[in-house]
Amino acid sequence: DGGITQSPKYLFRKEGQNVTLSCEQNLNHDAMYWYRQDPGQGLRLIYYSQIVNDFQKGDIAEGYSVSREKKESFPLTVTSAQKNPTAFYLCASSSPGQGNQPQHFGDGTRLSIL
Amino acid sequence: QKEVEQNSGPLSVPEGAIASLNCTYSDRGSQSFFWYRQYSGKSPELIMSIYSNGDKEDGRFTAQLNKASQYVSLLIRDSQPSDSATYLCAVNLPGGYQKVTFGIGRKLQVIP
Repeated sequence: DGGITQSPKYLFRKEGQNVTLSCEQNLNHDAMYWYRQDPGQGLRLIYYSQIVNDFQKGDIAEGYSVSREKKESFPLTVTSAQKNPTAFYLCASSSPGQGNQPQHFGDGTRLSIL
Repeated sequence: QKEVEQNSGPLSVPEGAIASLNCTYSDRGSQSFFWYRQYSGKSPELIMSIYSNGDKEDGRFTAQLNKASQYVSLLIRDSQPSDSATYLCAVNLPGGYQKVTFGIGRKLQVIP
């Protein structure tokens, strides 16, 4: 079945530690996105990528980094510079080549500080 | 003014009633509109897409778009307890890539 796989489902970070969230899709979508969801604040865009080897900052990129070496994969690293990382992280993908196609989401990763 | 606004207070309706969820957006150039359903602790799930003025029906769900007034709504007929979730409005803003802005979401509770 086609879909978006995020792992791990739960992740705990220690002070000063970088952690990486995985996102893999087999939908053959060109565009991939990372969002952060906090209670009462909706979805906020962290990074997005329209094609391989290219990505752009979203609205809240500070303290995060990404790579897009393969079309299927878009990992997100939460660095120690992100002082408030506790949130629900959602990866999404879409086919912008079709113009107005919706984004589809993975199941999310819940990150907490130890 | 926020790009996409939804009433954030919870909405309670009795089972079998019509639930009405509304969303307004600020950019007149917006072209695509989506409704997502998000159960507690889960990721958003696309339930409706609408691209032109008027109504679009899918089962018990009807999306309504009025570009002149810059609002989009979602009606859920014969509401069921399983419809209890947070509903997110999303708008595809014009730009060089498919930027989608999400509303804050509104929690719907269907009371048996």
